[in-house]
Amino acid sequence: AQSVTQLDSQVPVFEEAPVELRCNYSSSVSVYLFWYVQYPNQGLQLLLKYLSGSTLVKGINGFEAEFNKSQTSFHLRKPSVHISDTAEYFCAVNDFSQFYFGTGTSLTVIP
Amino acid sequence: DSGVTQTPKHLITATGQRVTLRCSPRSGDLSVYWYQQSLDQGLQFLIHYYNGEERAKGNILERFSAQQFPDLHSELNLSSLELGDSALYFCASSAVEGNSPLHFGNGTRLTVT
Repeated sequence: AQSVTQLDSQVPVFEEAPVELRCNYSSSVSVYLFWYVQYPNQGLQLLLKYLSGSTLVKGINGFEAEFNKSQTSFHLRKPSVHISDTAEYFCAVNDFSQFYFGTGTSLTVIP
Repeated sequence: DSGVTQTPKHLITATGQRVTLRCSPRSGDLSVYWYQQSLDQGLQFLIHYYNGEERAKGNILERFSAQQFPDLHSELNLSSLELGDSALYFCASSAVEGNSPLHFGNGTRLTVT
């Protein structure tokens, strides 16, 4: 079974500042990687995914993530955050059998 | 809009009761997953169905059961409800197994009083 670790449970950041949300997973075999965002009272929405190819993946809302196989990491970044980015962010791994989710990182953008 | 429909949106019931949560996956998606989200437990995988067959079980209690019907909609049945079952229950669907991302519904908020 996989484990997914989101190293920061809460990340406060000022508006227009850059942000990085960290995600590490346990597997050394091939996996598919995903980031999801959850706004209050809503379901999880896919931000971006890594299936293969370029290790830098671009998603919606200006987010991007970099796959690092040697570090088994898939960190999410945004160069300049907006108030509307305040939400819960989940990293997920699929090892061809099932999905495993991290515990989430609560991003709060401060005006 | 993810295309995944969950009903009802809210459900308030008493301890000991039984409820059924319903999920209609995106058109064409064969896989349905159920998750429970609570403040203290985070997002917990309950069960996965693919084209009517159970594929994987997670932390699903014996009091809970699910099924996927021939038209691919799914139902999650929760019985002998306890206060601790109060949570947000999500359904997600995907096209095939493996690299297809999950598409989540907006959830059913269950409150057990």
